[in-house]
Amino acid sequence: EVQLVESGGGLVQPGGSLRLSCAASGFTFSNYWMTWVRQAPGKGLEWVANIKQSGSEKYYVDSVKGRFTISRDNAKNSLFLQMNSLRAEDTAVYYCARRIVGASDDAFDIWGRGTMVTVSS
Amino acid sequence: DIQMTQSPSSLSASVGDRVTITCRASQSISRYLNWYQQKSGKAPKLLIYGASSLQSGVPSRFSGSGSGTDFTLTISSLQPEDFATYYCQQSYTTPLTFGGGTKVEIK
Repeated sequence: EVQLVESGGGLVQPGGSLRLSCAASGFTFSNYWMTWVRQAPGKGLEWVANIKQSGSEKYYVDSVKGRFTISRDNAKNSLFLQMNSLRAEDTAVYYCARRIVGASDDAFDIWGRGTMVTVSS
Repeated sequence: DIQMTQSPSSLSASVGDRVTITCRASQSISRYLNWYQQKSGKAPKLLIYGASSLQSGVPSRFSGSGSGTDFTLTISSLQPEDFATYYCQQSYTTPLTFGGGTKVEIK
């Protein structure tokens, strides 16, 4: 079964750090771009970051640039999001998702259940 | 950044109704438009990619159309399990952006 399972969420104080993990199974992880998407409580979806198969290319939404780092370990079928200098507005459910890229399409076809990050004093 | 505007933001419909949701991009995105369904407390699920391609396993009552800046998601005959929030998303360029969502509720 193709599956993504996030972990590492929790309560952290403003200015603190947290590292999210996403364990992939059921597919060849190293063949796919991967992404993080977040959803603040009661709000819509926001793309956070993408990483290429090899890790050689990474892209971020402006609001997290310089604070968040996406990375992956293909040997361990794992995706990570290191989050530093956290702010209240980073409070959200964080989803990891698999990205499929075709000749004329590009979408997130597999999603994890998400992990909740709460930034509060 | 490309802004994605969905309308309506919510709608009430009955089982069996035909439902149409629209999504407009602030600039042309060709056909790089995807639709997702999200039920309360659950992860989003891909329904339509490339504006009109049905994701494997998704019922054929869902369809998508459009290109350039204007797109639609149509549910031909609304079923009880279709009550959810629907999001469009452009994959034309980073930052990848989502519409604000359309909540489909029971009338």
